[in-house]
Amino acid sequence: AQSVAQPEDQVNVAEGNPLTVKCTYSVSGNPYLFWYVQYPNRGLQFLLKYITGDNLVKGSYGFEAEFNKSQTSFHLKKPSALVSDSALYFCAVRDPETGGGNKLTFGTGTQLKVEL
Amino acid sequence: DVKVTQSSRYLVKRTGEKVFLECVQDMDHENMFWYRQDPGLGLRLIYFSYDVKMKEKGDIPEGYSVSREKKERFSLILESASTNQTSMYLCASSPSPGTSLYNEQFFGPGTRLTVL
Repeated sequence: AQSVAQPEDQVNVAEGNPLTVKCTYSVSGNPYLFWYVQYPNRGLQFLLKYITGDNLVKGSYGFEAEFNKSQTSFHLKKPSALVSDSALYFCAVRDPETGGGNKLTFGTGTQLKVEL
Repeated sequence: DVKVTQSSRYLVKRTGEKVFLECVQDMDHENMFWYRQDPGLGLRLIYFSYDVKMKEKGDIPEGYSVSREKKERFSLILESASTNQTSMYLCASSPSPGTSLYNEQFFGPGTRLTVL
């Protein structure tokens, strides 16, 4: 079975500082990993994904994430946070070995709050 | 751009009513999904469909059913709504294997359902 853990319910950071939102995963095979963002009263928007290749993945709005197989982690990062980055962030995993329909398993979400 | 639309943003129903939530996507995607989102629990998969008239149970199918008569439309049905089904419901779609966007899911804006 595949699973994802987001250990922090909320992350607070000052504007201009670097931010990290943590994610660890568990799958039986090689994972496909994703980050999505949800702004208030909106659906989820895709940020970035890791399928294969370079462990550092760059995505939308200046975000990046690093795949670390030995630590089974896929932390989301941004060098300089903006107030407009304040939102709910979800990590998701897919085990391609399970087949069938592109099912994703989502974490519980981390609320990011960026303050002036 | 992929567009996933949901029939209502807000819905209020009474206990015992039959409730239909509609989702339409305009990109000819094979796969469609229904999730519910609850604080602290993240997104949980209710049902998904990988083709017309094909469906599979997700992690929490109890109390729900689905219908997919046409490729672009995926309906979630609450046969007899209960207060514990008060939640945000999110629909998503993704294209078929072999396409560059296969592993991404595209989300609608959500329907916030309140059952009184």
